[in-house]
Amino acid sequence: QKEVEQNSGPLSVPEGAIASLNCTYSDRGSQSFFWYRQYSGKSPELIMFIYSNGDKEDGRFTAQLNKASQYVSLLIRDSQPSDSATYLCAVRPRRDKLVFGAGTILRVKS
Amino acid sequence: GAVVSQHPSRVICKSGTSVKIECRSLDFQATTMFWYRQFPKQSLMLMATSNEGSKATYEQGVEKDKFLINHASLTLSTLTVTSAHPEDSSFYICSAISGGQGETQYFGPGTRLLVL
Repeated sequence: QKEVEQNSGPLSVPEGAIASLNCTYSDRGSQSFFWYRQYSGKSPELIMFIYSNGDKEDGRFTAQLNKASQYVSLLIRDSQPSDSATYLCAVRPRRDKLVFGAGTILRVKS
Repeated sequence: GAVVSQHPSRVICKSGTSVKIECRSLDFQATTMFWYRQFPKQSLMLMATSNEGSKATYEQGVEKDKFLINHASLTLSTLTVTSAHPEDSSFYICSAISGGQGETQYFGPGTRLLVL
């Protein structure tokens, strides 16, 4: 079992729709959770981080964490073509380094 | 967010030469920096963890004598690819932990290496 799992996609959504990206992790002791966006040929950029169960909203983005289910998600409201990228879920277990999922490709079609 | 820079952004070199890549945290002190490699259409691969003033910790399968890492100060880590070969051509990305922001990890813009 991989430490952090994501559906590779591609996930295709029409412009203006809600994109839902999901991630599961195996280490129940994980403390912090991150979502990064990576455009083709570029390095990852941080979108959000979340530490506590529940929802955390930042603009069009909402991160959701459920530690009991070992599940973290990212919702993107009013999706735009510029949101098309690979979204990386990252989890920090008890160790100090992040563990990344393989990423989900999102395509927003205009 | 915190800013991490890398230099150079792109480098082309001949097979057998060595290439040094610099990673700097511009507005924070980074006790820990990480080096990743990413091949086209593949996920990030952690190569090593670099702690200021101590030897780097390499991931399994990464040759420490080929990929030399030096973390001489709280704002600078360098990766030297020694005797580079075409199979070392890749996208090298560093990142740093900004402890002041809940240990969030920020990435540099990456260095694209092409070995001819």
